[in-house]
Amino acid sequence: NAGVTQTPKFRVLKTGQSMTLLCAQDMNHEYMYWYRQDPGMGLRLIHYSVGEGTTAKGEVPDGYNVSRLKKQNFLLGLESAAPSQTSVYFCASSYGRGGFTDTQYFGPGTRLTVL
Amino acid sequence: RKEVEQDPGPFNVPEGATVAFNCTYSNSASQSFFWYRQDCRKEPKLLMSVYSSGNEDGRFTAQLNRASQYISLLIRDSKLSDSATYLCVVNNPSNTGKLIFGQGTTLQVKP
Repeated sequence: NAGVTQTPKFRVLKTGQSMTLLCAQDMNHEYMYWYRQDPGMGLRLIHYSVGEGTTAKGEVPDGYNVSRLKKQNFLLGLESAAPSQTSVYFCASSYGRGGFTDTQYFGPGTRLTVL
Repeated sequence: RKEVEQDPGPFNVPEGATVAFNCTYSNSASQSFFWYRQDCRKEPKLLMSVYSSGNEDGRFTAQLNRASQYISLLIRDSKLSDSATYLCVVNNPSNTGKLIFGQGTTLQVKP
């Protein structure tokens, strides 16, 4: 089992460019999440999905879009990158059935720099 | 008030020391509690779930006090490899599947 994988690992963009971050999980989890982590801010939820074909906003969704066309994949898109989106992005997944099945498993992260 | 509060540290301790981290949470309806560990420039990883009766995993002991809405993590006989940030995590009772992460407590174990 690979668990949760993310591509790419690193990326540098110029302001205004677009990109898509890909997350894949092989644990048959229903729930998937995208977080960003900035120094001193902790993990902040961008968007999440409770199942194939569904998406929902987290606490910092502006400037991002997501899609969950397949259960195992969750894509995060930046349509027009801004320097404020420089961050480390983590994808996570869980069974999401309540209790300790809410344990989230994280991918290795994508380090994004927007110049 | 933050939903999950932790002392950010850093805690600097010598090898072999015992160190305790505390965490408070604001929503009394929360039911699931976890400690995650995050190494520098790495992803958070589950260290242990926290059960109502408390639980132990080797040198690590987690305790839950529902009345005070307080969670603790005790590390005995600290190793250099324990140096990391420890995240206190609580479920969001209003939304199944969502977790609330504390900002973390940094531990540095010195030789």
